[in-house]
Amino acid sequence: DTAVSQTPKYLVTQMGNDKSIKCEQNLGHDTMYWYKQDSKKFLKIMFSYNNKELIINETVPNRFSPKSPDKAHLNLHINSLELGDSAVYFCASSPRTGPTLSTNEKLFFGSGTQLSVL
Amino acid sequence: AQTVTQSQPEMSVQEAETVTLSCTYDTSESDYYLFWYKQPPSRQMILVIRQEAYKQQNATENRFSVNFQKAAKSFSLKISDSQLGDAAMYFCAYRGYLNYGGATNKLIFGTGTLLAVQP
Repeated sequence: DTAVSQTPKYLVTQMGNDKSIKCEQNLGHDTMYWYKQDSKKFLKIMFSYNNKELIINETVPNRFSPKSPDKAHLNLHINSLELGDSAVYFCASSPRTGPTLSTNEKLFFGSGTQLSVL
Repeated sequence: AQTVTQSQPEMSVQEAETVTLSCTYDTSESDYYLFWYKQPPSRQMILVIRQEAYKQQNATENRFSVNFQKAAKSFSLKISDSQLGDAAMYFCAYRGYLNYGGATNKLIFGTGTLLAVQP
């Protein structure tokens, strides 16, 4: 069973379209994330949700709207796609944590969705 | 704001040799966590090793070890006995201690080092 699964793996679309990427985790984690990896491989957090509540929104254009229907799912909807949105989008999850990480605590990443806007 | 810098965009190593990847970071926090992640061509992000800033002892995981220099804010990764399967992009990452009161596990990544392993 895949711990963090996101669909689709590849998405090719035209500029101006609206698209969604879905993410599900079966680890029972409280916290989920979207990270964006650009063409230079730079990986940056976009959003973080904890138990369906938005915790982090890192100055992302409001064309990007995350939605968390329950704590196991975090979807990303993108309106009016632009060329610069082309990137790999990673979903991730982690258990709720205090300041101190437990020994085996870590982020679990999905395999990424490669979005190409033409 | 915290930043993570990896000054080596690309590195190359011969199979069975040792290579060291550099990472420096900037923070005003005294407690934090540092990580090295590996991203092979499959795109999967794989945790290689982690270091707690309050621990003086350098972390080791089999052939992977770190040289953590807190005062210098340096966190290098040493890969011993390099194998073909080690070829990948390697990312250094920082996690603050307070981190939104524990509600999230936000990582700040460096720009990555692409490691090639020559047979």
